[in-house]
Amino acid sequence: AAGVIQSPRHLIKEKRETATLKCYPIPRHDTVYWYQQGPGQDPQFLISFYEKMQSDKGSIPDRFSAQQFSDYHSELNMSSLELGDSALYFCASRGVSGNTIYFGEGSWLTVV
Amino acid sequence: AQSVTQPDIHITVSEGASLELRCNYSYGATPYLFWYVQSPGQGLQLLLKYFSGDTLVQGIKGFEAEFKRSQSSFNLRKPSVHWSDAAEYFCAVMNTGFQKLVFGTGTRLLVSP
Repeated sequence: AAGVIQSPRHLIKEKRETATLKCYPIPRHDTVYWYQQGPGQDPQFLISFYEKMQSDKGSIPDRFSAQQFSDYHSELNMSSLELGDSALYFCASRGVSGNTIYFGEGSWLTVV
Repeated sequence: AQSVTQPDIHITVSEGASLELRCNYSYGATPYLFWYVQSPGQGLQLLLKYFSGDTLVQGIKGFEAEFKRSQSSFNLRKPSVHWSDAAEYFCAVMNTGFQKLVFGTGTRLLVSP
């Protein structure tokens, strides 16, 4: 069965650069969630989208923005990267009327 | 707002012994509860979930969890632990609008020979 696809899987950027992470939800899933997991930390909710509209917002820095496109894929844009942004970024999706959230394998961002 | 507490940061269990990982939640309405497992450097795999009905839910890999409303708990159990169960376990609660899933701080399970 198709799963949540995230790209790239690994990314190395320098401080003050910009990074974009992409998320392709499971087919027919209309809700996407983004999480950030720092080393040894629990996943922290960043933002969610339902039917291309922002659904909820968590501890997402102002330097970050995200959107969901007409094909339901989502992109997380991170600008002015800081060393503290180094983390594993998860995307997850949920289907219409579904009650289970499925996570992708994550994108590793390293800021040097 | 919902929240989750996992009071045990680390737990060590002998292989073959039983396991119980504790989880307490805070949410005003009936919660949607989940347990996820994460191996080092890997993604989050769903073990089981509770939404309503039978308070004892069965999951994958021989895990089960029991929802106790009176104690605001959703503890994870396994009767006999295998070395491959060593991982980080996260309890999570979802609000009924499905806007976000909130995780606990996790419990790292170590399995000794």
